[in-house]
Amino acid sequence: DAGITQSPRYKITETGRQVTLMCHQTWSHSYMFWYRQDLGHGLRLIYYSAAADITDKGEVPDGYVVSRSKTENFPLTLESATRSQTSVYFCASSAQRQGDGTGELFFGEGSRLTVL
Amino acid sequence: AQSVAQPEDQVNVAEGNPLTVKCTYSVSGNPYLFWYVQYPNRGLQFLLKYITGDNLVKGSYGFEAEFNKSQTSFHLKKPSALVSDSALYFCAVRDRGYGQNFVFGPGTRLSVLP
Repeated sequence: DAGITQSPRYKITETGRQVTLMCHQTWSHSYMFWYRQDLGHGLRLIYYSAAADITDKGEVPDGYVVSRSKTENFPLTLESATRSQTSVYFCASSAQRQGDGTGELFFGEGSRLTVL
Repeated sequence: AQSVAQPEDQVNVAEGNPLTVKCTYSVSGNPYLFWYVQYPNRGLQFLLKYITGDNLVKGSYGFEAEFNKSQTSFHLKKPSALVSDSALYFCAVRDRGYGQNFVFGPGTRLSVLP
């Protein structure tokens, strides 16, 4: 089915472990984003990507790594998970062109990560 | 810096009554404004957006929003609420001159009572 798919939907890990959250979109959207959603903080941008091999930091990038070797995939890696990274993570994409901010975001269903 | 305020954490309305979810914004230039809805354990879904033109924007599921530049507001409205409208609503702004980041408000939980 077309759309944006995140995996895993639920993950429990331990402090210090590496975790990768996957994001795959079938629309060939140029822009992709990773947000985290926390009570009291709303949605905060972690990283975004304007195209394959182009990524940039958002509001809260520390402790996270992204890559975008293919347009359709945008994995988010927590190199050494901490309890403060317990959150719900959302991947999103947008069809906008460079310099055009009118496009809306399309979100995945989210990945709920618990770090023990 | 861009910012979005949603002054009400919770809005309760009876089914069939009109609803309003409030949003005010702050950007350095002219904004692009968006509303999203989130149902439990789901991702955010796009409802509508204001880019330019008519200040009254119509969107999905019977929702509309009114852009008011002088009051820097973008309130979400619906003439007749449904129980199924109960969800978390987010207002978001993107500064035309800033880049690609959306700034989201904290969210307003709407409860429509039968």
